[in-house]
Amino acid sequence: AQSVTQPDIHITVSEGASLELRCNYSYGATPYLFWYVQSPGQGLQLLLKYFSGDTLVQGIKGFEAEFKRSQSSFNLRKPSVHWSDAAEYFCAVVTDSWGKLQFGAGTQVVVTP
Amino acid sequence: GAVVSQHPSWVICKSGTSVKIECRSLDFQATTMFWYRQFPKQSLMLMATSNEGSKATYEQGVEKDKFLINHASLTLSTLTVTSAHPEDSSFYICSARDFRLGAAETQYFGPGTRLLVL
Repeated sequence: AQSVTQPDIHITVSEGASLELRCNYSYGATPYLFWYVQSPGQGLQLLLKYFSGDTLVQGIKGFEAEFKRSQSSFNLRKPSVHWSDAAEYFCAVVTDSWGKLQFGAGTQVVVTP
Repeated sequence: GAVVSQHPSWVICKSGTSVKIECRSLDFQATTMFWYRQFPKQSLMLMATSNEGSKATYEQGVEKDKFLINHASLTLSTLTVTSAHPEDSSFYICSARDFRLGAAETQYFGPGTRLLVL
């Protein structure tokens, strides 16, 4: 069965520092992968997605992610975080032809001054 | 971009009453909508897949008689929590998939509905 693992439950990063959030997936074929961000009490906003092609994907808000098949990973990165990046981040993979999503447990990002 | 709305954004109800939550795709047609439940500080758990004009498909462990889903049009799906109890208190989020796109394409998420059952 498909699964998504986000090893880091909580990450604290200083404003201006770089950020990397880890995501590992388990899937037989080429996965369709997403990163979403959720601010407190809000719905989800899509940051970026990977279906095929270039393995380095650019998203909104200065985020990028790299698909590495050999490592079954799809890590999210941002070179310089802003205080507004404090939120919960979810990695997700499509699990069937209807487009059902399997979400990782999420990573809470705290940004310190 | 595509917009999905949910109504109400929050609701407080007494135990034993039923609550209906609406999910609308505002600028696209959605043959498929999904309903998720999220407990505090936890991930989203898929409850059911809602397909326009047919019965919803529920995930294992989700009571279909408890969580009634109706997808009567290409822009509206409703989730009714019947005979709500305090343990049903949660954050309910819907998402919608543009029918013109493939199954792997992006889902658009609503802002969520916070339900508190007293």
